[in-house]
This record gives sequence, structure tokens and C-alpha cells, in this order.
Amino acid sequence: KAGVTQTPRYLIKTRGQQVTLSCSPISGHRSVSWYQQTPGQGLQFLFEYFSETQRNKGNFPGRFSGRQFSNSRSEMNVSTLELGDSALYLCASSSGGRGAPEQYFGPGTRLTVT
Amino acid sequence: AQTVTQSQPEMSVQEAETVTLSCTYDTSESDYYLFWYKQPPSRQMILVIRQEAYKQQNATENRFSVNFQKAAKSFSLKISDSQLGDAAMYFCAYRSGSSGTYKYIFGTGTRLKVLA
Repeated sequence: KAGVTQTPRYLIKTRGQQVTLSCSPISGHRSVSWYQQTPGQGLQFLFEYFSETQRNKGNFPGRFSGRQFSNSRSEMNVSTLELGDSALYLCASSSGGRGAPEQYFGPGTRLTVT
Repeated sequence: AQTVTQSQPEMSVQEAETVTLSCTYDTSESDYYLFWYKQPPSRQMILVIRQEAYKQQNATENRFSVNFQKAAKSFSLKISDSQLGDAAMYFCAYRSGSSGTYKYIFGTGTRLKVLA
């Protein structure tokens, strides 16, 4: 099976712009979670989508949003970018059910905001 | 609410030696899963090992094993015969098995250095 893929891998944006990141989960996985990883804050949970519905949400401002499509692919959008949004954004997929709970991570998208 | 704590920000181990990374968690649930993930420098995060709370036997994957103490809510990772390739950030994680929301909770990570 192909692993979790994320596009783009690297992105440079300017403050005030918006950005969309994409994640394709492992085939058959219905859950996609997004995390922000920074040296100072570690791994912070953004949100999780399961069968096109947001199932869990972290403590991030409304500038961070996401969606999931019927093929389980997910996108994350950040509007009005701030310097502090510079981070590695990780996507992880899982079956989403009670069993087989492992999450599998993508390589991440490195976002730099200047 | 569940929490996961990794109290060792950084650890070092000599090549071929054994090292143990600590993780404690807090939960009122009886059905859950625990994981250790490894994130090598500039590389993808991968699953190292998983433990089901209902299993008393400690999980083992080659040189990696856990010491799962359910009553103490402790879940440590032991790496035997450490290799240079084991150098990475290690994250402990928790996932509920029965809450219905199945949210993952990660610790802050332990950076492991392997000395040649």
C-alpha cells in the first residue's frame, strides 16, 4: 500500500496570505488528522476528519480550517498567515475505528511565513 | 481529560548499550491504546510499537520493548543494543479505545542521541 502523501512538501508564504495543504491517506483509511509541529511547542493537534466530518478539534484559532472529501483526501487551510504559523504540518491517517488504532504519518509540509 | 507526560526532554546512550525512555499518562478509561513513535531528523514519523491496555503482556518489536505498568499508568520504551539509526525524537501517544471520539494525545517527546 502506498503511504500517506502530503503536498506540497515545502512552502514559503508572506504574512497575510492564505495557504492550502493537501493530504492523501492510505487507501481504505477514513480518518485524517492534522498536527502542527514546532521546536518550541512540540506536536500540537489541529483537527481530525472522519468520513468527511470533523470529529475532533484542537485549540487553534478559526484561521485554521480543514475539510475532507469523499475519497478521504483532506485539505487544511490557514488564512491570514502570521509569522508564528511557520511550522511543519503533519498529516496522519488511520482506519478511524475502534480497532487498528495506529496512525500513519506523512512526510509533512514545511511552511515558512516571512 | 487524558494527558501524556514525557519528563525526559533529551537522553543519550552509547552505541550497543540499552536505554529506557519514560512516559506516564493519566486517564480514567480502562480501554485504550498506547504507542511509541519515532521521528528521525528531517524524516517521517513512524510507529515503533503499540500496546493494548487490556493485554498484560508487554509488547516487543525486535530491539524495542515496553514496560507497561497499568496501575502506575506508566509506559516506558526500552531500546536494546542501541544503533546510530535509533537517534531520533521519540513520542509517546495515547488513544482511547472506547470513547467514540478516538482522539490521539501525544507527549512532548524525548530526543535520543546515540554516541558512537
